[in-house]
Amino acid sequence: GEDVEQSLFLSVREGDSSVINCTYTDSSSTYLYWYKQEPGAGLQLLTYIFSNMDMKQDQRLTVLLNKKDKHLSLRIADTQTGDSAIYFCAESTYTDKLIFGTGTRLQVFP
Amino acid sequence: GAVVSQHPSWVICKSGTSVKIECRSLDFQATTMFWYRQFPKQSLMLMATSNEGSKATYEQGVEKDKFLINHASLTLSTLTVTSAHPEDSSFYICSAVGPRDSSSYEQYFGPGTRLTVT
Repeated sequence: GEDVEQSLFLSVREGDSSVINCTYTDSSSTYLYWYKQEPGAGLQLLTYIFSNMDMKQDQRLTVLLNKKDKHLSLRIADTQTGDSAIYFCAESTYTDKLIFGTGTRLQVFP
Repeated sequence: GAVVSQHPSWVICKSGTSVKIECRSLDFQATTMFWYRQFPKQSLMLMATSNEGSKATYEQGVEKDKFLINHASLTLSTLTVTSAHPEDSSFYICSAVGPRDSSSYEQYFGPGTRLTVT
């Protein structure tokens, strides 16, 4: 079955860049997503990338996709304390069903 | 943007009772809604896909007789946890498929319902 893996924890200093990585196994993935979850809350879609793209930039967020290696990354520039949260990558095909990664807890310290 | 609500936001119930959780799309019609379960410090696991007017499709390992899903209208899906036990305690999140266009697609997520079974 499909599998999506992430490193569990990332700690960065405020103002630095954060890079969160994700690997997936389903070669038929159509869309790949990054979601943010704050404590006790639902998920907020940050950005997504279509599988035929290799990069997408949206303000402080940069998504890189290496389809050959099935590797997705999210770079957050100028990381702020408000960025502290759990970040999930997810993939889907045309069925709309999302498969989530294991989540990366980002901690930003002053 | 599209809004999805869940009710209640948290609930405590006694073992053996049933609990109903509602998921509503407030400003759009959702032909498909999804129900996820999230254990503490873990990822979201898809439980079932709910299509309006038809039976839900359950993921492998999810007991359909325990987790009853009803998608009676284009704006409402309900998840009923029957005969709840402490191991059913979890964070339940729904999502709804919003309007599609040629350049984007998004599932809109509800804020989640925390269920504690004592």
